[in-house]
Amino acid sequence: DTAVSQTPKYLVTQMGNDKSIKCEQNLGHDTMYWYKQDSKKFLKIMFSYNNKELIINETVPNRFSPKSPDKAHLNLHINSLELGDSAVYFCASSRGQGAKGNQPQHFGDGTRLSIL
Amino acid sequence: GQQVMQIPQYQHVQEGEDFTTYCNSSTTLSNIQWYKQRPGGHPVFLIQLVKSGEVKKQKRLTFQFGEAKKNSSLHITATQTTDVGTYFCAGNSGGSNYKLTFGKGTLLTVNP
Repeated sequence: DTAVSQTPKYLVTQMGNDKSIKCEQNLGHDTMYWYKQDSKKFLKIMFSYNNKELIINETVPNRFSPKSPDKAHLNLHINSLELGDSAVYFCASSRGQGAKGNQPQHFGDGTRLSIL
Repeated sequence: GQQVMQIPQYQHVQEGEDFTTYCNSSTTLSNIQWYKQRPGGHPVFLIQLVKSGEVKKQKRLTFQFGEAKKNSSLHITATQTTDVGTYFCAGNSGGSNYKLTFGKGTLLTVNP
């Protein structure tokens, strides 16, 4: 069973379109994340939700809107797609904060977004 | 904001040679994690270091956390072709305990 699953795996679309990426985890984790990995492999946090509450919101254009309907799901909607949005988007999850600090993050396989 | 710098950006070795990647933070870290990402894959958690001066081993991999908790290293002894991938360090400065700042990664390639 896949622990963190993202759909779609590949997304090719035209500039200006609106698209959504879905993420689900079956690990029972409280916290979920969205990362963007650019062509140089730089991994940058975008958003994080803990028990459906937004706890991390980095400097991301407001064209990006996350939604967490429940603890196991975190979706990402992107409006008016631009060329610079081309990247791999990773969803991840972890347990809530532990006594020793951060918990390991479990990543999905990624969604490869290409803007034409 | 917090910055995590990682060097080298690339490292190519012959199979059997050792490999080390270094991570430095602009601020004191509460903990640091290491991840490995195979080509075309996703980051996979390797280990977390919490204590000042901590050293942990996983078979041929040795992880260290500096005394000042501002730097860390990953050393691989006698590399194998299965070690190929990008190694990331990720630090947390304690401000928001959920936020990890990732280094830019070191891409390791191994010549058989």
